[in-house]
Amino acid sequence: DSGVTQTPKHLITATGQRVTLRCSPRSGDLSVYWYQQSLDQGLQFLIQYYNGEERAKGNILERFSAQQFPDLHSELNLSSLELGDSALYFCASSEQGYQPQHFGDGTRLSIL
Amino acid sequence: SQKIEQNSEALNIQEGKTATLTCNYTNYSPAYLQWYRQDPGRGPVFLLLIRENEKEKRKERLKVTFDTTLKQSLFHITASQPADSATYLCALALNTGNQFYFGTGTSLTVIP
Repeated sequence: DSGVTQTPKHLITATGQRVTLRCSPRSGDLSVYWYQQSLDQGLQFLIQYYNGEERAKGNILERFSAQQFPDLHSELNLSSLELGDSALYFCASSEQGYQPQHFGDGTRLSIL
Repeated sequence: SQKIEQNSEALNIQEGKTATLTCNYTNYSPAYLQWYRQDPGRGPVFLLLIRENEKEKRKERLKVTFDTTLKQSLFHITASQPADSATYLCALALNTGNQFYFGTGTSLTVIP
């Protein structure tokens, strides 16, 4: 058990909709990372937060946004969903940037 | 463009042999490199971290090397076991430690 909790485990929705994915980091970890994993793209870094502040942005679409709350949990918001957004979304946490990341088991998003 | 390449083919080896996985990168100057294991439907699990000024790191049956001149890391599993069957991912981090670039992974199958 990594200590990172992601909810929901599965999400099925339709194109054009909006969803929110939630992540609770491991106790004591201040950094939260979001990744998208699809079969053809591998694990793609989306965004990182450290203690509530955005620290780095990767290949995150403008339709996607995230935030980290004072209790350190994080949410990833995906809007105007398209078929191509179907993927596994992982959250990871670490103490700080250089430390190993601890991954949750992901949210599988299916767009119909 | 920046690229991280791992063994392009799935790797099948006999139990008891040493598995060697490669991670080659271009156009990066990573401060350190990490290796993760991922089982189907699960999040990646951290295995080893090696810094740019380190040549080799070991942990039990695992060994990783890092050659910044060749821009390559090798990951070895000695005395392999069927339980080692999984996908193995390498991840590069730049000096900021805030953004990670993952390879597409190598699928390893250890045959009893």
